[in-house]
Order: sequence, then structure tokens, then C-alpha cells
Amino acid sequence: NAGVTQTPKFQVLKTGQSMTLQCAQDMNHNSMYWYRQDPGMGLRLIYYSASEGTTDKGEVPNGYNVSRLNKREFSLRLESAAPSQTSVYFCASSDWGRGYEQYFGPGTRLTVT
Amino acid sequence: GESVGLHLPTLSVQEGDNSIINCAYSNSASDYFIWYKQESGKGPQFIIDIRSNMDKRQGQRVTVLLNKTVKHLSLQIAATQPGDSAVYFCAPTEGSNYKLTFGKGTLLTVNP
Repeated sequence: NAGVTQTPKFQVLKTGQSMTLQCAQDMNHNSMYWYRQDPGMGLRLIYYSASEGTTDKGEVPNGYNVSRLNKREFSLRLESAAPSQTSVYFCASSDWGRGYEQYFGPGTRLTVT
Repeated sequence: GESVGLHLPTLSVQEGDNSIINCAYSNSASDYFIWYKQESGKGPQFIIDIRSNMDKRQGQRVTVLLNKTVKHLSLQIAATQPGDSAVYFCAPTEGSNYKLTFGKGTLLTVNP
């Protein structure tokens, strides 16, 4: 039982490049989330998926797109990376009715130059 | 939106002492209040939750106190250990999907 896994762990992009961050969970959770964390800051919600087939914007969705591929997988795409998107990205999942108890992955550290 | 603040951005304690981490919130409609722990280089980890109709909840070595009158909650850690060194976030929930609003966190350092 790996919990929540994220790939890659580290990534460096040039401004304007695109990439997809992958997230998978093996806990049969309904809900999945993408957050970003900037130095000295709390986590800010980018997008979330309350259940398979649905996605909704969070606090900071601009510049990102998401895909809930199936119940296990939730990907985050940066179409045209900008230096302001340099951050650590965390994926999380939660069970139905306990959305506040979220299980987080180890994070992806992204640098955009 | 939710405003979440922490009274102390850093807290340094001696091993074995009790720690108290405070958190203020502004949305009186929050249904649950959650504490998360984030160790260096890792993702946050759920510690404990308290529902808005409670004023105290205890877990293993941790106690959460909620004062809705002044919109304040605290996390008390008994007999603090070096493994408790981390950033602690309080996160009130918002809405039926339990979206979390994280504050900036408090860095707890435990000195041996």
C-alpha cells in the first residue's frame, strides 16, 4: 500500500515549456487535490476532484489544467510554464465524507527558469 | 475567503516540555478544524480534527482546544519529542466538500 505517489520528484523547466505532474493513489479514495506550497507559506489549493469525472477550481487555478483520468489518477498540467509557478506541488486524496482528512504525496519540486 | 493566522510563527521547546501552538480563524461557518504536521521535505500529515460542536478533543499526546467565541484553536503536544519537530498547520474546512484553508504554519523546534 503505497498511499499517494507523485512523479517526478524534481523538475526544471524553461519558461514556456509544458509538463504534466502525475499523481496516483491506491486507497480507493473518491476525492483528489492538487496544492502548491511556496517558501514559508501554507498550501494553496489549485484544483480538486470531488469524485471521478468531476473537477473544480481551487484558490489559484490560473495557468493549470487537470485531468481525473480514473479513480486512482489525477494529473496536473502546466501548458506554458512561468517563473511564478516555481513551487512544490502536492497531490492529496481523501475518502468520501472525510474530505478534511487528506493524505498527501511526497511532493514535486518544480523550478521554472 | 478564509483568513487563518498563527500567533507564533516559530516555537522552540525543550524535549519533554509541553508545546502549545495557536491558531486564529475568521470564518465562523467552518464545520471542522484540522491540524496537520509537515516534516522537512515531506507532505503534510493529518494529526487530529475537531468538529465545531466540540470544544476539546484528545488524541495520543495531543489535545485540541476550540474557542468559537474568539475564533481560536490550539494544539497542545504533551512531552514534546525531537520527532515532533515540524511545521504545524491549522486548516478550517469550507463547504460541503471540506475544502481546507491552510495558514502559514508554525515551526516547532524541539531541543534535546
